[in-house]
Amino acid sequence: DVKVTQSSRYLVKRTGEKVFLECVQDMDHENMFWYRQDPGLGLRLIYFSYDVKMKEKGDIPEGYSVSREKKERFSLILESASTNQTSMYLCASSRGQGVRNTEAFFGQGTRLTVV
Amino acid sequence: ILNVEQSPQSLHVQEGDSTNFTCSFPSSNFYALHWYRWETAKSPEALFVMTLNGDEKKKGRISATLNTKEGYSYLYIKGSQPEDSATYLCAFRFNKFYFGSGTKLNVKP
Repeated sequence: DVKVTQSSRYLVKRTGEKVFLECVQDMDHENMFWYRQDPGLGLRLIYFSYDVKMKEKGDIPEGYSVSREKKERFSLILESASTNQTSMYLCASSRGQGVRNTEAFFGQGTRLTVV
Repeated sequence: ILNVEQSPQSLHVQEGDSTNFTCSFPSSNFYALHWYRWETAKSPEALFVMTLNGDEKKKGRISATLNTKEGYSYLYIKGSQPEDSATYLCAFRFNKFYFGSGTKLNVKP
């Protein structure tokens, strides 16, 4: 059974804290993604990684950074959490671009509240 | 940013009704179009991955069609059941996945 696992289901952090969201996949996928989901806005891409140590900014990277030191793990870092980063965060993984008929697999999501 | 649009935003139907949603996407540089179902408190799960113009896919009562030349895909649900209640997302794949904002379906018993 394929799995994408996010480290926390719910998280409450204070404004200004540094926050780490961890994601691990066991499918040997090349691509990993971080999205945030807000009502009425769908899934918006924060960062994308296509290989170890490789990353690309998505549509809304401001206030976030990422780390991919190992193929199976992709971390999202909120450098200094702010209340407008309160959201649902979803991690996903997929095979690389060369495999056309491939879907994304998602983690269970982390609902982050910044107070 | 690639624009992927879905309509309607939400839909309320009675059990047994058939329904359909629309996803529109850029018609140039097509690679793949995905449909996902996202139930409350669960992760989004893939329904269909479509890669060829004219593709039609079916899974039980749910089917999808694809028109890459005009940039749209339809998702159909025949005889909706309460367990079909979910948000249905489409995603245009061009290297990354570009998601629409989803159609939230509520099926009343």
